Amino acid sequence: EAGVAQSPRYKIIEKRQSVAFWCNPISGHATLYWYQQILGQGPKLLIQFQNNGVVDDSQLPKDRFSAERLKGVDSTLKIQPAKLEDSAVYLCASSSPRGGGYTFGSGTRLTVV
Amino acid sequence: AQKVTQAQTEISVVEKEDVTLDCVYETRDTTYYLFWYKQPPSGELVFLIRRNSFDEQNEISGRYSWNFQKSTSSFNFTITASQVVDSAVYFCALSGGGSYIPTFGRGTSLIVHP
Repeated sequence: EAGVAQSPRYKIIEKRQSVAFWCNPISGHATLYWYQQILGQGPKLLIQFQNNGVVDDSQLPKDRFSAERLKGVDSTLKIQPAKLEDSAVYLCASSSPRGGGYTFGSGTRLTVV
Repeated sequence: AQKVTQAQTEISVVEKEDVTLDCVYETRDTTYYLFWYKQPPSGELVFLIRRNSFDEQNEISGRYSWNFQKSTSSFNFTITASQVVDSAVYFCALSGGGSYIPTFGRGTSLIVHP
């Protein structure tokens, strides 16, 4: 079974620039999550999708972050404009309809300079 | 509100030593789930175990064992005869209130020296 695919693996941008991350979940997994993991901390949920609908985006900084999941499969997370404090690893995860354990991707490490 | 505390920021051991990673949680939910994840240097989070609040049986999987004690709100993780490949950051997590979405602790970095 292929895992959760994320790209790019690394990204370095200057503050105020825009950046986008892509995630392809495990086939058949209806639920998709984006997490932000700041160095030295545990992952924090940004947004949860069920198919192509948003279930929870209460912790997503909507003034600069946006996410979409067209057709209920792939998802894109965008930051515009980026701030220094957005430097983190952005993890995508997916889970089957039964929930429980998730499968995480390897993440995208973003550095904002 | 849910909270997970991993008081140990970093643990350093020599190969073949046993090591216990502590996890203390807070929740008002009567039904909840506890998780442990491993994050190796490659970055992905690897699921290790999920335990529901009604099952206090300890679990053993190879060199890994977990001790769940509701009386002390703890879910500790022990690695027996540690190996260099066990070096990683380990996260304890909690979900409840009908949601499977975990709240993570800050993680414990385990370094196993040869």
